[in-house]
Amino acid sequence: DAGITQSPRHKVTETGTPVTLRCHQTENHRYMYWYRQDPGHGLRLIHYSYGVKDTDKGEVSDGYSVSRSKTEDFLLTLESATSSQTSVYFCAISKGTGLYGYTFGSGTRLTVV
Amino acid sequence: DQQVKQNSPSLSVQEGRISILNCDYTNSMFDYFLWYKKYPAEGPTFLISISSIKDKNEDGRFTVFLNKSAKHLSLHIVPSQPGDSAVYFCAASARIQGAQKLVFGQGTRLTINP
Repeated sequence: DAGITQSPRHKVTETGTPVTLRCHQTENHRYMYWYRQDPGHGLRLIHYSYGVKDTDKGEVSDGYSVSRSKTEDFLLTLESATSSQTSVYFCAISKGTGLYGYTFGSGTRLTVV
Repeated sequence: DQQVKQNSPSLSVQEGRISILNCDYTNSMFDYFLWYKKYPAEGPTFLISISSIKDKNEDGRFTVFLNKSAKHLSLHIVPSQPGDSAVYFCAASARIQGAQKLVFGQGTRLTINP
């Protein structure tokens, strides 16, 4: 299947703890993205990367940070998890062309208790 | 503010009939429009897209129509099949600092009834 994997698939964590989600691609695509999916909101962009060490904020970036030290890996960190960050998180990759959009990973379901 | 809107949270259609999913957008700078399909516990998968310079794109049972004057996008599925039951997201693409960024609607849950 598409060369993008997310880990872990499911995680339950406590409020106030740090959490890191990992996205790994084998497609050598330049662009990588983190989205969250919530009922009534669709998918909203958290952060994206346009190259190694090059990242920028999306529309819902507060409380999140990212890092990309290698082309294939894009990490999303919740510095101090809150209940409002309970969500399904999707990573996506793109060559940068508009017609075919992104390829998404299978998602990480995160529950903050 | 919501730049891309899907006003129908759900749609139920009989098998074999046409399914029409709608989407509205506000930003005239979007250059591509896309539809994604999502099954439970899976990531969204690309279905079909259209450039902003076109008004129709067809791929098998799926056709996307773009009405730029109305800032409206629709997806037609003919004939509808049980496997089409899923959540459908429309998305609009804008290029910012070289990166293609997709803005998604809220999604419409399509149920195909036998």
